[in-house]
Amino acid sequence: SQQGEEDPQALSIQEGENATMNCSYKTSINNLQWYRQNSGRGLVHLILIRSNEREKHSGRLRVTLDTSKKSSSLLITASRAADTASYFCATEQGGNTPLVFGKGTRLSVIA
Amino acid sequence: KAGVTQTPRYLIKTRGQQVTLSCSPISGHRSVSWYQQTPGQGLQFLFEYFSETQRNKGNFPGRFSGRQFSNSRSEMNVSTLELGDSALYLCASSFGGLSIQYFGAGTRLSVL
Repeated sequence: SQQGEEDPQALSIQEGENATMNCSYKTSINNLQWYRQNSGRGLVHLILIRSNEREKHSGRLRVTLDTSKKSSSLLITASRAADTASYFCATEQGGNTPLVFGKGTRLSVIA
Repeated sequence: KAGVTQTPRYLIKTRGQQVTLSCSPISGHRSVSWYQQTPGQGLQFLFEYFSETQRNKGNFPGRFSGRQFSNSRSEMNVSTLELGDSALYLCASSFGGLSIQYFGAGTRLSVL
């Protein structure tokens, strides 16, 4: 069963705009990760944020984590057509338990 | 370093047949996980192998099985295929445990 639920399911924006995706989860976590998947391909790891961190940056990506609300957001600034993909959050609870993925947000960036 | 390699990329089978998928992890990675991805259910965890031992198992019927060899390469097998087994099967490797996963491009299985 899915632990993470992304919102929105789909998002369409113009090139140069910012894209924000949200993820909510149900149980305590060790860390939360974001992955990107281009159509029909494997997932690529983007960023990991630990449960004791509140914000993390990587290039044009900014991730926040609010453990009290059990939610995270991924912000992509100055989006490009190449950012068109599905984005998934995944939570790790620790103790060698597997990552649990949400169903993803499909982002379309229109040139 | 070469990435995670999955073979074959595409497969077409008929109901009742069985299929074996292969995954070669990144060199030095000892953990291999398998996922099934469908439009309706999203990414579902199948199982994880670490040093030739199954360490975690998802909620899939016994028709789904796997193994890992001493060189960390892994195979998964699905017996008595059903139409609902049509999916993208993804393999991911990691160095020591289950944290950051490095995915292969997947095997697209179609069951007719």
